[in-house]
Amino acid sequence: DVKVTQSSRYLVKRTGEKVFLECVQDMDHENMFWYRQDPGLGLRLIYFSYDVKMKEKGDIPEGYSVSREKKERFSLILESASTNQTSMYLCASRQTDTTYTEAFFGQGTRLTVV
Amino acid sequence: DQQVKQNSPSLSVQEGRISILNCDYTNSMFDYFLWYKKYPAEGPTFLISISSIKDKNEDGRFTVFLNKSAKHLSLHIVPSQPGDSAVYFCAASRTGANSKLTFGKGITLSVRP
Repeated sequence: DVKVTQSSRYLVKRTGEKVFLECVQDMDHENMFWYRQDPGLGLRLIYFSYDVKMKEKGDIPEGYSVSREKKERFSLILESASTNQTSMYLCASRQTDTTYTEAFFGQGTRLTVV
Repeated sequence: DQQVKQNSPSLSVQEGRISILNCDYTNSMFDYFLWYKKYPAEGPTFLISISSIKDKNEDGRFTVFLNKSAKHLSLHIVPSQPGDSAVYFCAASRTGANSKLTFGKGITLSVRP
């Protein structure tokens, strides 16, 4: 059974704090993604990684960075949290050695920045 | 520029009837399309997909139709059940090892008992 695990379900952080969101997958997938979900805006891609130490900006990378030191782990970093980063954060992974594959999502992290 | 559009934010149907959720895309390079279902406070779960070489794919109560010339796809749920009440996201992708999924804004489906 495939599994994408995010380290926290709920987080509350203060403005200006450095925040780490961790994601681990056990499927040996090459691609990993970070999205955020906001009401009325759908799922927006922040960053994705197609291999260890490889990363690419998504649609809304400002204020975020990522780290992928091991294939199974993809971290999202908020360098200095702001209230407009309050959101649901979703990690996903996807296999790439076949043409048509779905992405598997973690359970999400609800981050509140106060 | 929104490449995947779900123009109706919500849909309400009676239990037992058909639910039709629509999705349009603008990028002609997309060749793989997916539907995800999401409950509050949970991650999206994959529902059904279709590649551009097909125009229909069916899985139990769920059928996805693809009209490439119109750049339009739809998800049909028959019969609708109260447990189908959720947000449904349409997503699209291009062939390629490092392609990403581009999502629409989602449709909130409510199935009334």
